[in-house]
Amino acid sequence: DTEVTQTPKHLVMGMTNKKSLKCEQHMGHRAMYWYKQKAKKPPELMFVYSYEKLSINESVPSRFSPECPNSSLLNLHLHALQPEDSALYLCASSRKRTGEVDREKLFFGSGTQLSVL
Amino acid sequence: DAKTTQPTSMDCAEGRAANLPCNHSTISGNEYVYWYRQIHSQGPQYIIHGLKNNETNEMASLIITEDRKSSTLILPHATLRDTAVYYCIVRVAVSGGYNKLIFGAGTRLAVHP
Repeated sequence: DTEVTQTPKHLVMGMTNKKSLKCEQHMGHRAMYWYKQKAKKPPELMFVYSYEKLSINESVPSRFSPECPNSSLLNLHLHALQPEDSALYLCASSRKRTGEVDREKLFFGSGTQLSVL
Repeated sequence: DAKTTQPTSMDCAEGRAANLPCNHSTISGNEYVYWYRQIHSQGPQYIIHGLKNNETNEMASLIITEDRKSSTLILPHATLRDTAVYYCIVRVAVSGGYNKLIFGAGTRLAVHP
């Protein structure tokens, strides 16, 4: 299994709603990532989890709340979003192979297309 | 962080080789060059990476200049399914068991019949 599965594929939410994005992998990867991608722009890193601990928060607003309940799951909780938060949210995972610390490949899911009304 | 510069867009005829250049003149000695691509409506896909030697896999070849200031991704026989945005990324060297990849603008490759 070399897949990263993201659900839902599409999500429409109002500015007062609370929703969650889910990401799952069964490749034994211990690093998981959230990226945000606006239309016609490159992916932007949001968060990195390593061994279920938050390692990087790229100054993301608190209305985005990540959670890594175990090594296979990654959630992104959304609350009080703004229309400008509409984007494709991508999850990725990677592993560290002994002796090859610089050779990690990121495996990406297909993303959740989020629209905030 | 080493930055990369890529052409905004390129065209290639189906069946011909596609050569995608990337400049990374500030790359440091222990930083790898990674290539990913993103086909429309999908997540990015790993293609290949290298340090200083040329590399080849089933998808592509990576040619890195001797001074490491630039590289070229070669798709030997481009197909319509290779139409995508191609990202050249220099890995930021961090510890902690993860790989912090920062994407630049990339090159939009259009393969036409």
